[in-house]
Amino acid sequence: ETGVTQSPTHLIKTRGQQVTLRCSSQSGHNTVSWYQQALGQGPQFIFQYYREEENGRGNFPPRFSGLQFPNYSSELNVNALELDDSALYLCASSPGGRGLYNEQFFGPGTRLTVL
Amino acid sequence: AQSVTQLDSHVSVSEGTPVLLRCNYSSSYSPSLFWYVQHPNKGLQLLLKYTSAATLVKGINGFEAEFKKSETSFHLTKPSAHMSDAAEYFCVVSDNGNQFYFGTGTSLTVIP
Repeated sequence: ETGVTQSPTHLIKTRGQQVTLRCSSQSGHNTVSWYQQALGQGPQFIFQYYREEENGRGNFPPRFSGLQFPNYSSELNVNALELDDSALYLCASSPGGRGLYNEQFFGPGTRLTVL
Repeated sequence: AQSVTQLDSHVSVSEGTPVLLRCNYSSSYSPSLFWYVQHPNKGLQLLLKYTSAATLVKGINGFEAEFKKSETSFHLTKPSAHMSDAAEYFCVVSDNGNQFYFGTGTSLTVIP
């Protein structure tokens, strides 16, 4: 069974640019969540996708957007990058639907640096 | 609104002594609660989850947590710390399964 994978591992961008991060969910999982983890902080929930539709969103501006594809892989897009966007971006997949108790399986993350 | 507060940013224990990592939550509904562990340069791993079936939840690697609704707490314990337990621990709350809120984390150091 393949776990959650993310690409790229590391990325360096400059302020104002756009970035796309990718996530492949674990086999059989149809729900994907994205998190931003700043250095020394806990992950902050960005949004969740369930069967290709956004299913919940945290307190992030619209320049953070996402997609989920029919194979349940997902993308996180960030426009107009700011220095504060520098962080580890985590993707997590979970099985089933909108259940309260579904365990999330996390990928290793993408480290984004904005200069 | 839902949130968690991890009361200690750093905890240091000697190997073989008990571990207590404290977490208080705020939730308008009956929440689901989780503890995750993050080892350096490794992904987040679920330790245990509260599913409302039992207030004392057993997880992996000897960890337990007790859900106390009257105290809005979900503290993580382990009877005897091992060197491999040194890591960052996160308490997580969710009201609806669509949004998950992490605490700021507790860094556990185990002294040999």
